[in-house]
Amino acid sequence: QKEVEQDPGPLSVPEGAIVSLNCTYSNSAFQYFMWYRQYSRKGPELLMYTYSSGNKEDGRFTAQVDKSSKYISLFIRDSQPSDSATYLCAMSAGNNNDMRFGAGTRLTVKP
Amino acid sequence: GAVVSQHPSWVICKSGTSVKIECRSLDFQATTMFWYRQFPKQSLMLMATSNEGSKATYEQGVEKDKFLINHASLTLSTLTVTSAHPEDSSFYICSSAGPSNQPQHFGDGTRLSIL
Repeated sequence: QKEVEQDPGPLSVPEGAIVSLNCTYSNSAFQYFMWYRQYSRKGPELLMYTYSSGNKEDGRFTAQVDKSSKYISLFIRDSQPSDSATYLCAMSAGNNNDMRFGAGTRLTVKP
Repeated sequence: GAVVSQHPSWVICKSGTSVKIECRSLDFQATTMFWYRQFPKQSLMLMATSNEGSKATYEQGVEKDKFLINHASLTLSTLTVTSAHPEDSSFYICSSAGPSNQPQHFGDGTRLSIL
């Protein structure tokens, strides 16, 4: 079993839809949770960074962490074609040397 | 936000050539930098962890003599692919990190094509 599981998709939604992206993990020591967005032929860009359980909102993006279920989510409201990218979840126990990445979910938002 | 500059963004060269990729942390002093390799439609594969002033730590299966890493200052790490061959063609991405509980920030990657 991988430490971090993420459905690679691809996921295709119409413009304006609410997108839900998810990751599960097995290591209960993970405390820091991140979502990165990666456009084609570019490096990953940090979108959200949360510590422990709870919700964090930034504009159209909401990150949720449920440590009891070892499950994290990223919601995108009013999705736009410019949101089309690969979204990677990442997590660590507190040392950035041990960060683990999900496989990434390819998202396409169609106009 | 933090900015990591990676150069060059794309390089094409002949088999047998050595290629150097630079990674600069522009906004903060990076005690640690990371080098990743990414194949098409796949996630990031950590190659090595680079610590300023000490030898890099390589992941299992990564040839340290093939992929030379130098981290001479708190803002610059370099990856040299020595005697590159077509199988080394890939997308190489660096990242930098400050204090241990802070997230990594990535460069824009280098597309390496070996003919």
